[in-house]
Amino acid sequence: GAVVSQHPSWVICKSGTSVKIECRSLDFQATTMFWYRQFPKQSLMLMATSNEGSKATYEQGVEKDKFLINHASLTLSTLTVTSAHPEDSSFYICSARDVGLMNTEAFFGQGTRLTVV
Amino acid sequence: AQSVTQPDIHITVSEGASLELRCNYSYGATPYLFWYVQSPGQGLQLLLKYFSGDTLVQGIKGFEAEFKRSQSSFNLRKPSVHWSDAAEYFCAVGGNEKLTFGTGTRLTIIP
Repeated sequence: GAVVSQHPSWVICKSGTSVKIECRSLDFQATTMFWYRQFPKQSLMLMATSNEGSKATYEQGVEKDKFLINHASLTLSTLTVTSAHPEDSSFYICSARDVGLMNTEAFFGQGTRLTVV
Repeated sequence: AQSVTQPDIHITVSEGASLELRCNYSYGATPYLFWYVQSPGQGLQLLLKYFSGDTLVQGIKGFEAEFKRSQSSFNLRKPSVHWSDAAEYFCAVGGNEKLTFGTGTRLTIIP
């Protein structure tokens, strides 16, 4: 299957700083990437849908000014957690779909464990 | 609105025994259905998917699932589990866009 690479795998940052997470589709082009958040022992909750060349669509309750999403190319989307606080500590996972294929699944990155201290 | 229900939070099965994980969905049109597996601290791996056609789909690692439209279900099965199957399993529903995930079922395998 297609490969989605997410970087970093884990990051620890101080409260008040910003953290950038990258999501890359390595062997296919993705007009759409999705960003999820997963709290311990819970399911994945969609945060936003990232569309190449346009503004991201955020789910209800997700602060767009806090979770900045940029999808500047067909292979890269970034999520920046601005002014991070301990409550932002979570597991963030991205997924991407291959625009060249219809009726296909989204492929997931390996996730990023964010710890804010 | 689309939704997924996985009624079993935690299931314990003996190694070599059969397994069935339940999934019920709500979706306004013909659904695309997925089962993913997640090991601790890892991303999601696709086990199998249903888009159309044969309602019994085969996946990786010996898993299969059956789509039953009348019951709005997409249960995951395996005839004989292995210790390496211990993980969290998520059912998901969606169209060509975003996916909605169930709350997951944690599978524990005992010797």
